Amino acid sequence: GAVVSQHPSWVICKSGTSVKIECRSLDFQATTMFWYRQFPKQSLMLMATSNEGSKATYEQGVEKDKFLINHASLTLSTLTVTSAHPEDSSFYICSASTGSQETQYFGPGTRLLVL
Amino acid sequence: QKEVEQNSGPLSVPEGAIASLNCTYSDRGSQSFFWYRQYSGKSPELIMSIYSNGDKEDGRFTAQLNKASQYVSLLIRDSQPSDSATYLCAVKGAGSYIPTFGRGTSLIVHP
Repeated sequence: GAVVSQHPSWVICKSGTSVKIECRSLDFQATTMFWYRQFPKQSLMLMATSNEGSKATYEQGVEKDKFLINHASLTLSTLTVTSAHPEDSSFYICSASTGSQETQYFGPGTRLLVL
Repeated sequence: QKEVEQNSGPLSVPEGAIASLNCTYSDRGSQSFFWYRQYSGKSPELIMSIYSNGDKEDGRFTAQLNKASQYVSLLIRDSQPSDSATYLCAVKGAGSYIPTFGRGTSLIVHP
């Protein structure tokens, strides 16, 4: 149980294009989903937290207009990187939990390379 | 500001030894504690969670929590080279759904 999937697992795109990453909880309903970014050899950086049906809460320094998050259902959240640039190249990881005290389960991550 | 501190390592132990990973946290009201393992290039995977003071064992892994001293540790018995990874400590406060992650400790188990 507690499986989280992400799609795509990797993506290469040209600078200026937009990329959408999907995160799904496969066998549980995720009231809260989290989006992280991780650069090589660095720690996880929380980008935003989203609750189903609500606007996402972004961490300080994360541009909400650049990283669009939609959490339309209890099993799906999407992150869209708009007008991607090479500096947005990173490992994007989502996670999901069922409540305030519940464990977070991570998706396998999406590796984004912007040329 | 809530902080979770881990020694970045690397912690190097021989195969078969006990690896001890430590984590301290600043928020005295923290209620939930988690250990994750992250292999290079992969996302974190949950090892175990602990909520009460004392020890919790799961196979070769034992989590130890001491809320009075504000630390949580992870012991790995009979360490294997496949245990080589970065271990992340995560802490959540009471009623909070946003965990605070430590920077992780790199563990190397050499044959």
